[in-house]
Amino acid sequence: GENVEQHPSTLSVQEGDSAVIKCTYSDSASNYFPWYKQELGKGSQLIIDIRSNVGEKKDQRIAVTLNKTAKHFSLHITETQPEDSAVYFCAARNSGYSTLTFGKGTMLLVSP
Amino acid sequence: NAGVTQTPKFQVLKTGQSMTLQCAQDMNHNSMYWYRQDPGMGLRLIYYSASEGTTDKGEVPNGYNVSRLNKREFSLRLESAAPSQTSVYFCASTPLAGANTGELFFGEGSRLTVL
Repeated sequence: GENVEQHPSTLSVQEGDSAVIKCTYSDSASNYFPWYKQELGKGSQLIIDIRSNVGEKKDQRIAVTLNKTAKHFSLHITETQPEDSAVYFCAARNSGYSTLTFGKGTMLLVSP
Repeated sequence: NAGVTQTPKFQVLKTGQSMTLQCAQDMNHNSMYWYRQDPGMGLRLIYYSASEGTTDKGEVPNGYNVSRLNKREFSLRLESAAPSQTSVYFCASTPLAGANTGELFFGEGSRLTVL
């Protein structure tokens, strides 16, 4: 089955800095890679996703890049704000399965 | 907009007790899921129901049972709770069944402690 590794486990940045979270996956057939944000005491919410037919996707301050050859994808947050503080999960899915495999999460702390 | 509603939000059990976590969604979604979240372990799938009338095991199904009561409701039962089942449990749903499931919509979680 799929295995997703996520790094770092914790990340502290100053407000205004950029933050990068990286994930690798094992199944070369995986074709869908979402990122979820979990705020304290809440359920996770999808913030951006990418499919294997594109290499990069942006949404305002958030971007995701995908390198299929190396089997890794990354989340980039620019101009970080305190409200970006949360746990972020990457995930991957093989088209042959109906479920996502999640990474172990990254706790991002943005200090004012 | 209620979305995905889980009950209870908090529960303390003694080893060997049983309980059921309830989940309901009002978005007319076909697929529903139960995850557990433990420190340093991320979200791990316990069971899922791709569509009404079907259930399948996920990554960590041992010690749990599920029931897809109808399209809206998907419950998770612990028959004989163990301390290893202390965790935060999340229910989720998605519109589409099968291999091309899209965005997961999560409930706010149920924190379970087994003493």
